[in-house]
Amino acid sequence: AQSVTQPDIHITVSEGASLELRCNYSYGATPYLFWYVQSPGQGLQLLLKYFSGDTLVQGIKGFEAEFKRSQSSFNLRKPSVHWSDAAEYFCAVGAWSYKYIFGTGTRLKVLA
Amino acid sequence: KAGVTQTPRYLIKTRGQQVTLSCSPISGHRSVSWYQQTPGQGLQFLFEYFSETQRNKGNFPGRFSGRQFSNSRSEMNVSTLELGDSALYLCASSLGEATNEKLFFGSGTQLSVL
Repeated sequence: AQSVTQPDIHITVSEGASLELRCNYSYGATPYLFWYVQSPGQGLQLLLKYFSGDTLVQGIKGFEAEFKRSQSSFNLRKPSVHWSDAAEYFCAVGAWSYKYIFGTGTRLKVLA
Repeated sequence: KAGVTQTPRYLIKTRGQQVTLSCSPISGHRSVSWYQQTPGQGLQFLFEYFSETQRNKGNFPGRFSGRQFSNSRSEMNVSTLELGDSALYLCASSLGEATNEKLFFGSGTQLSVL
C-alpha cells in the first residue's frame, strides 16, 4: 500500500543551525514527491517537488530536498534555520488516480 | 489571482447535526480535493472532484459526502456528526491533469463537534 512516513513528530533546533526533516515513502512506481509547510492557522504551501531528473531539488525559502530511491527517502534540508521557519512540515506523494498521500507531519520549533 | 477560499472559517455543531462546508478554487482549476486534518493523524484524504465528477474517494464513512458545481466550486457535507469529526477540513485546488501538480490549499474550516 502507498504510504508516507515522517518519523519525527517534533524537532527543535536553534536559530542558525542546520535542519533535516525525514520522509520515507512506500510506492510501487516512480513517485511524485512533495514537501509542504503549514504555518499556524493557515493552509499548506508548497516548498518543493520532485518528479524526475536531478535528485537534489531546490525550493522556496532556502529549502532543498534529496530523492534517494535506494532508501525510499525524500529528506528536507536547510543549512541555516530562521525563526520564521517554525511551522509544521508535511511530506506527500502523488499517487495514482489523482490522489495525494500525506505524512503525519513534523512540527518544527526554533529556539532564539 | 484570488486564492482558494473556504467558508465558514469556524463552525461549532452538536452531535447528530449535519454541516456543509464550501470551497471556491482558484480560477481555472477544475480539481478540488478535501482533506481532514487532526493532530497526530496528518491529512487524511476524503475525496477529489474534477469537472463535477468524483474521481477518487478516501476511507471515510458514507456520512461524508461532497459535490462539485459547474463553476468548480465544491461543497462537502457531513451528516449525523460525531465527536470524532472535530477537525480542520482543508480543501485544495489544482488543474487536475496529473498527480505531479502543485496543490493550492485554502485556510480550512475548523469544525468543533460538542
